[in-house]
Amino acid sequence: DGGITQSPKYLFRKEGQNVTLSCEQNLNHDAMYWYRQDPGQGLRLIYYSQIVNDFQKGDIAEGYSVSREKKESFPLTVTSAQKNPTAFYLCASSISVQRGQPQHFGDGTRLSIL
Amino acid sequence: ILNVEQSPQSLHVQEGDSTNFTCSFPSSNFYALHWYRWETAKSPEALFVMTLNGDEKKKGQISATLNTKEGYSYLYIKGSQPEDSATYLCASPYSGSARQLTFGSGTQLTVLP
Repeated sequence: DGGITQSPKYLFRKEGQNVTLSCEQNLNHDAMYWYRQDPGQGLRLIYYSQIVNDFQKGDIAEGYSVSREKKESFPLTVTSAQKNPTAFYLCASSISVQRGQPQHFGDGTRLSIL
Repeated sequence: ILNVEQSPQSLHVQEGDSTNFTCSFPSSNFYALHWYRWETAKSPEALFVMTLNGDEKKKGQISATLNTKEGYSYLYIKGSQPEDSATYLCASPYSGSARQLTFGSGTQLTVLP
């Protein structure tokens, strides 16, 4: 089945450590996105990518980095510069970034600080 | 940044009741309005993408309307069932950039058997 796979489901980070969240899609979508959810808030965009080797900052990119070396993959690294990384992270993709295209989501990764 | 607001924040209804909730957004420079349904322990699922004023879309017992002039969309569920329990999210692209969606914080619906 086509879809988006995020791994791991749960992740724990020690202080000062970088961690990488995986996102893979087999939908042949050009656009991919990373969102963060905190309790009581809407999804907030961290980064998005329109096409391979291209990505743009969203509203809350500080302390995060991404890469898009393959169409299928858009990993997110939470760096030690992100002071409040505990959150639920969702990856999504769409055919393109154009406004009428719905986004397809993964199941998410919950990141916690040890 | 676009402000997308949803109300109510949460809602409890009895099985068989019909219900509706609201998404409001700035009406200037409107591009599109997305509705998603997010069940617990699952991933958000796209319900509708609406682009034209007066649009009405339907999927089973769920329907949505769009008023771009006044900046709101309603989501209706007719004859709610326990399996309709979920958080319903709306989202709209930034007025300055059609590429990024701003999400509301969602309406959490619980349908009691």
